[in-house]
Amino acid sequence: NAGVTQTPKFQVLKTGQSMTLQCAQDMNHEYMSWYRQDPGMGLRLIHYSVGAGITDQGEVPNGYNVSRSTTEDFPLRLLSAAPSQTSVYFCASKQAGEKTGELFFGEGSRLTVL
Amino acid sequence: GNSVTQMEGPVTLSEEAFLTINCTYTATGYPSLFWYVQYPGEGLQLLLKATKADDKGSNKGFEATYRKETTSFHLEKGSVQVSDSAVYFCALTETSGSRLTFGEGTQLTVNP
Repeated sequence: NAGVTQTPKFQVLKTGQSMTLQCAQDMNHEYMSWYRQDPGMGLRLIHYSVGAGITDQGEVPNGYNVSRSTTEDFPLRLLSAAPSQTSVYFCASKQAGEKTGELFFGEGSRLTVL
Repeated sequence: GNSVTQMEGPVTLSEEAFLTINCTYTATGYPSLFWYVQYPGEGLQLLLKATKADDKGSNKGFEATYRKETTSFHLEKGSVQVSDSAVYFCALTETSGSRLTFGEGTQLTVNP
């Protein structure tokens, strides 16, 4: 059971570089989301999508772009990395329309921006 | 906006001790409440949930009751084990279920 798969698991960038964090799920979930986890701040929602072609901003969207061309994939793009984006990033998915449905998380991607 | 506040951590207990992790929330409408757990090196996974006032969620010996009058959802377990060592997150979702708001997390360490 693959579930939610994130790549890469670790990445080091220099300020100003760009990169894409990949997220794929094999559960046919319509809802997908990206969170960042920082010490003492819990998880904060960056962007989410309720289906292919539909995306929306979360709590901390600045500096990040997303797109949803297929049900399975939801990549997160950093256009010009900044040290403030050093964090652990989690992708999560669930069935859309289920308000109380369980969110399934990937194992996380640890990003360091120097 | 919505917010979740958890008790300050970390929490260190001996095996078989009683656990309480406090969680209070601020929300409009009628949120659903959750506890997620994160074991070392892993993503979060759902531990339990409650969808309306006075509901009790339970799983793996953990319990939490949705208290609307005190806007709380405290996590309890009668006898913790070393394997319960993890970070615990309280969370809520608003009416549409599109946005899950997390607390800051509480690190629990259980010593043998």
